[in-house]
Amino acid sequence: GENVEQHPSTLSVQEGDSAVIKCTYSDSASNYFPWYKQELGKGPQLIIDIRSNVGEKKDQRIAVTLNKTAKHFSLHITETQPEDSAVYFCAASWTYGGATNKLIFGTGTLLAVQP
Amino acid sequence: KAGVTQTPRYLIKTRGQQVTLSCSPISGHRSVSWYQQTPGQGLQFLFEYFSETQRNKGNFPGRFSGRQFSNSRSEMNVSTLELGDSALYLCASSPAGTGFTDTQYFGPGTRLTVL
Repeated sequence: GENVEQHPSTLSVQEGDSAVIKCTYSDSASNYFPWYKQELGKGPQLIIDIRSNVGEKKDQRIAVTLNKTAKHFSLHITETQPEDSAVYFCAASWTYGGATNKLIFGTGTLLAVQP
Repeated sequence: KAGVTQTPRYLIKTRGQQVTLSCSPISGHRSVSWYQQTPGQGLQFLFEYFSETQRNKGNFPGRFSGRQFSNSRSEMNVSTLELGDSALYLCASSPAGTGFTDTQYFGPGTRLTVL
């Protein structure tokens, strides 16, 4: 069935270091992969997304890479700052038989950036 | 543009009651999706509405239902509440939803507590 695995569940880094979160998806038809950041008491906020026709996408300190053969994608945050501390979720979606906005989410990674 | 708004933000109900949650999407967005977030099950897709029609449905019992109005606002209803329905209910809006997976923007959620 549809499944997205996310690792690690918790990640602690020093301010200025890089953080990497990895996700694996099960459905080879998946073609859209967003990443969300959720702070306490708030809804998930989209930080970056990638579609299956692209291997890598970057936005300032944030980048996402996609390996369709291995069915995994990763979030890279460079030069981490304390305000990057939050729970990060990966998700996957696909389009077959018509459009869909059904996202399958990973289990989340609690990122703590130590000052 | 104003973001996704959800009302109420907090709700306390007792077992057996029913509840209606409301979501107003970003102006111009036509698709609204609902998700349930719990510590045990994570983020799970409930259903999606597009042009007043349910386009996709997750694996939830029939006690969970929704609808969308002509102005794209959406409501979800949970009947015969159970303790396990306690969760953060999130609404996400997206622009058009035709032929591919849209970028989805989440609201702050409604925190439902069932006693």
